[in-house]
Amino acid sequence: SQKIEQNSEALNIQEGKTATLTCNYTNYSPAYLQWYRQDPGRGPVFLLLIRENEKEKRKERLKVTFDTTLKQSLFHITASQPADSATYLCALSGTYKYIFGTGTRLKVLA
Amino acid sequence: DAGVTQSPTHLIKTRGQQVTLRCSPKSGHDTVSWYQQVLGQGPQFIFQYYEKEERGRGNFPDRFSARQFPNYSSELNVNALLLGDSALYLCASSPGEGGRELFFGEGSRLTVL
Repeated sequence: SQKIEQNSEALNIQEGKTATLTCNYTNYSPAYLQWYRQDPGRGPVFLLLIRENEKEKRKERLKVTFDTTLKQSLFHITASQPADSATYLCALSGTYKYIFGTGTRLKVLA
Repeated sequence: DAGVTQSPTHLIKTRGQQVTLRCSPKSGHDTVSWYQQVLGQGPQFIFQYYEKEERGRGNFPDRFSARQFPNYSSELNVNALLLGDSALYLCASSPGEGGRELFFGEGSRLTVL
């Protein structure tokens, strides 16, 4: 069955450092890979989408890489700030299907 | 420009009852999908609707059903509620079908006693 793995342990980093989150998947060839931010008790917020034929995508302090051979995506937040503290969800999508990971909780320490 | 709106925000039901959750998509969006999220887990895909037709379905029992209206709003129905149905139910809209980025509402928190 299709599976997404994100580091279930919380990631704590110091303010100003780069946070790197990992998303690994198996048994699926998604058309898109997406990253979302979710704050407690709120709905997820879309951050970035990368297509299967793209290697890297950037938006302001965010960068996503997508390696379809390794079946892995890395999500980077540069110059992290305490306001970046949240749970980050990885999602794979095809035409009529979405699969979300369990998320990685990031805490940026001031 | 209103985003995705869901109602009710919170509700409490007892086992065996039925519940209807409502969703209005973001302006200009014609695709709506529903997700169940239990504490500590990622959202689980339930349905996707486009042009009033079910286009995708996750691994949920037939007690779960949905529909989409001509104005693209949607309802999720859950019958014969079980304790395990307690969760945050999220609605998301997107522009067109095809796995694109999702815009989520704030969810309906369902508690089944």
